[in-house]
Amino acid sequence: EVQLVESGGGLVQPGGSLRLSCAASGFIFSTYWMTWVRQAPGKGLEWVANIKQDGSEKYYVDSVKGRFTISRDNAKNSLYLLMNSLRAEDTAVYYCARGRLNTDYWGQGTLVTVSS
Amino acid sequence: DIQMTQSPSSLSASVGDRVTITCQASQDINNYLNWYQQKPGKAPKLLIYDASNLETGVPSRFSGSGSGTDFTFTISSLQPEDIATYYCQQYDNLPYSFGQGTKLEIK
Repeated sequence: EVQLVESGGGLVQPGGSLRLSCAASGFIFSTYWMTWVRQAPGKGLEWVANIKQDGSEKYYVDSVKGRFTISRDNAKNSLYLLMNSLRAEDTAVYYCARGRLNTDYWGQGTLVTVSS
Repeated sequence: DIQMTQSPSSLSASVGDRVTITCQASQDINNYLNWYQQKPGKAPKLLIYDASNLETGVPSRFSGSGSGTDFTFTISSLQPEDIATYYCQQYDNLPYSFGQGTKLEIK
């Protein structure tokens, strides 16, 4: 059974940093692109970033470029999102999802709250 | 960036009704369109990809059509468990943008 479990969310002050993790199981992690999508409270979905199987290609939405870094460790079946210079507008549930174009499995999400 | 516009934003229908949601892209996206279902407090679920292909295990009452800039998502006979918010998403160009969502309620 495919499982994606996010962790690392929490309350952080504006300007602070946080690293999200996503533990994958039930599939060959190293053969899939992976994606982060976020959802602000009561709002719609926003695609954030994705990463190729070997980590050689990474893409970001403009609003996080230069502040967020997506990475992966295939030996640990894990996906990461390092978030720096956090802003109030980054407050959201962050989901990791399997795939590049058609994200067919999603985790339950982890809530990031940026507030003083 | 490509803008995706869904309509309506909310919809109330009765069990057994045929329900249709539209999604319009700000430029031609070929057929590179997903439809997702999100129930309250849950992660989105992929229902349809490539505009009209049903994801494995998804009931056949769900369907999608369209190409270019105009797309349609249909539930042929609304069931109580279909209450959710539905999103379209284009994957023709980065960033892979979503529509604003359509909240479906039972009348």
